[in-house]
Order: sequence, then structure tokens, then C-alpha cells
Amino acid sequence: DADVTQTPRNRITKTGKRIMLECSQTKGHDRMYWYRQDPGLGLRLIYYSFDVKDINKGEISDGYSVSRQAQAKFSLSLESAIPNQTALYFCATSGDRDYNEQFFGPGTRLTVL
Amino acid sequence: AQSVTQLGSHVSVSEGALVLLRCNYSSSVPPYLFWYVQYPNQGLQLLLKYTSAATLVKGINGFEAEFKKSETSFHLTKPSAHMSDAAEYFCAVSESPGNTGKLIFGQGTTLQVKP
Repeated sequence: DADVTQTPRNRITKTGKRIMLECSQTKGHDRMYWYRQDPGLGLRLIYYSFDVKDINKGEISDGYSVSRQAQAKFSLSLESAIPNQTALYFCATSGDRDYNEQFFGPGTRLTVL
Repeated sequence: AQSVTQLGSHVSVSEGALVLLRCNYSSSVPPYLFWYVQYPNQGLQLLLKYTSAATLVKGINGFEAEFKKSETSFHLTKPSAHMSDAAEYFCAVSESPGNTGKLIFGQGTTLQVKP
């Protein structure tokens, strides 16, 4: 079984809809991250969380919000989706002992029409 | 602020040929550097990492990278390409070693391996 899972894997939605992407992990890691990947831009950090009570904005947090429901769960929400949020979204985790090594989920491909 | 530049968004090699993917970084502190690989329809997985120990780092699947401080480079190499190496490769630098663990990624290089 995968250590980091993301649901859904694919989602098509319309402009203005609220969307939630979910991430779960069984690695026991405290640190979790949300990235978006766009062609030619690599991965950019949206939000990160070092534990349940610690959530921080990343490079491109505008238009997004997150919730850390438990150590194992970290959700990303788009309150009112817009077409330029069409991208591949990745969740990642890292442990406290080697927090520089991140483990990635399989990604969620989101299309906003 | 740290940054990463990958030279060449697409690299094409023949099977059995040398693979060289270029990465240059900018950092005001000694960096931690990483190479990740993304196979089609999958998430990223760590190939190798440099964390201030040996400058020549060996990773999985026969890949290695050499940290060259004077050139601010961390190029990825593999002596002989295999068809299964076709993927997208990302170089990354840790924002502040010993601190947040946040990674800054390069734009990615797609490696094509021709038979």
C-alpha cells in the first residue's frame, strides 16, 4: 500500500466551485506539504504544516486554504476555483529526523473549466 | 534567496549513451541539494541527495551527482542510459539547511531515451 495517498486522482470542475483535495499518509511524519506542478515551472509550494497546530503559507497560497485534521491528514481547498488553478497537485511528507527528504503522493490532476 | 536552474527542458539520448542533466543553484548558505525523478503518472521519488558529506553522491538506478561549489553546480549523470530512465527529473535545493526543510525546485528536465 502507498505511504502517501491522494484523493481524488483526477477532478474536473467548473469556475467558482469549491474543491477539496485530500492527502493521507501512513509514514508517521509530522511535516506535510502541498505543491502544484505546472509545465515548465517545476513544483511550487502552496502550504506546509509542521504539525497539527502549525500551518504556514508557501510561495503561492493565494486562492487556496488548508486544513490539518490529524497528523496523517492534510487537505487543500480551492474556495472558488478558477481556470488558472488547473494543474497537477502533489502532497508530500517528511520526518523530523531527515526533514529534507520528502515523500510524494501520486498527485491529483485538477482541471477547472 | 535560494534558486535552482536546470539547463535544458528536454534532453534526448540514445540507449546506452551517457546521461547528463544539468543543475545550477544559488544559495547564500551551504546548500542541501536533491535530485528527484517523476515517472509518467506518478509522484516524485528521491534519486539522491547531497547534505555536505561526500561531494560525489551515488543514488538509485545507477545515477550519481557531483557537488561543485566553485561552479555552484550539481549535475546528474548516468554512464549508460536505459529505456526505463525516460522520465522527468527535478533538481531541488533545501531553503535553509537545518531549518524548515522546504524545497525549492527547478523547472524540470524531461529525459527521452531513444532505442
